[in-house]
Amino acid sequence: AAGVIQSPRHLIKEKRETATLKCYPIPRHDTVYWYQQGPGQDPQFLISFYEKMQSDKGSIPDRFSAQQFSDYHSELNMSSLELGDSALYFCASSLGGLAPYEQYFGPGTRLTVT
Amino acid sequence: QKEVEQDPGPLSVPEGAIVSLNCTYSNSAFQYFMWYRQYSRKGPELLMYTYSSGNKEDGRFTAQVDKSSKYISLFIRDSQPSDSATYLCAADSGGGADGLTFGKGTHLIIQP
Repeated sequence: AAGVIQSPRHLIKEKRETATLKCYPIPRHDTVYWYQQGPGQDPQFLISFYEKMQSDKGSIPDRFSAQQFSDYHSELNMSSLELGDSALYFCASSLGGLAPYEQYFGPGTRLTVT
Repeated sequence: QKEVEQDPGPLSVPEGAIVSLNCTYSNSAFQYFMWYRQYSRKGPELLMYTYSSGNKEDGRFTAQVDKSSKYISLFIRDSQPSDSATYLCAADSGGGADGLTFGKGTHLIIQP
């Protein structure tokens, strides 16, 4: 079965640089979620989109922004990167109108800020 | 205090044992309760979800929710070394495309 696709899988950036993470949801899923997971931590919710509109917002820094496009893929844009932004970034998708709680996660993007 | 509390372990049991993993939560608005399995450096894998109180079984896995005590459990029967992973409980109010609230995860080790 098709799963959530994330790219790139690994990313190394320097402080104050920008980064863009991409997420392609499971086919027919209309909702995308972004999570950040630090070392030894649980995933922390950042932001979600349902039918291309922002749905819910968690602990997303103002330096980060995201959007969902007409083909339902999503991009997380991160600017003025800080050392503390180093983490695993997961995208998850669901059928937001039917089962929003049934979220399927991608393999993650490992971001390292040096 | 986190809204979902989970003992981080590690929890080490011999192969074939029954494993019991538990979480407590504080937000009465939570209606859906999920269990995820996460291998090192991989994405969380949804094992099962339960709505409100009750039990749900899927193969060797049984999820149990007691809303009166705000207690969530996952039982694994006939545990295998391949079950060694971090198990995360999560909760959601079900009100829309909300972010899930996770526990910190329990690191489970099944000894061959």
